[in-house]
Amino acid sequence: GAVVSQHPSWVICKSGTSVKIECRSLDFQATTMFWYRQFPKQSLMLMATSNEGSKATYEQGVEKDKFLINHASLTLSTLTVTSAHPEDSSFYICSARQNTQYFGPGTRLTVL
Amino acid sequence: DAKTTQPNSMESNEEEPVHLPCNHSTISGTDYIHWYRQLPSQGPEYVIHGLTSNVNNRMASLAIAEDRKSSTLILHRATLRDAAVYYCILRDNAGNMLTFGGGTRLMVKP
Repeated sequence: GAVVSQHPSWVICKSGTSVKIECRSLDFQATTMFWYRQFPKQSLMLMATSNEGSKATYEQGVEKDKFLINHASLTLSTLTVTSAHPEDSSFYICSARQNTQYFGPGTRLTVL
Repeated sequence: DAKTTQPNSMESNEEEPVHLPCNHSTISGTDYIHWYRQLPSQGPEYVIHGLTSNVNNRMASLAIAEDRKSSTLILHRATLRDAAVYYCILRDNAGNMLTFGGGTRLMVKP
């Protein structure tokens, strides 16, 4: 199947700093990518849909000014968690669609 | 996306078949049935999907009820590496996102 990568795989940061997570489709082009968040022992929750060359569409309750999404090319979308706080600590997963939807390996963010 | 209902957890013995059920009574005619699984600390992995007919691939089989209100994911011989959370998800053919329910946590005993 298609491959989606994420970088970094884990990150620890201090409260108040910003963290950027990259999502790449390695062997296909994706006009649409998706960002999910998963808290321990919970299911995935869709945060936003990232569209190449246009603004992302955010789910209800997700602050667009806090979670900045940039989809500058057909193979790269980035999620920046701005002014991160401990409650933002979570497992962030991206996905891209090529016929079916493929997921990245996830990025574990820990905010101290 | 329509809702799916799955048991919270199931147990299986290694080398035995596993049948993971999913109810989707509100499925519409164009909804595809997708199955993903998620191992600890990893992103979801695509397993299989279908619309009306039963489907087989190298990972599993998908049996779809005639009325499409339920489906069953079949792992023919469970291994310890199959221990994961299995998600049954409905997605419209025009939709781009998958909405995850609670999934079934499969435990495989040696």
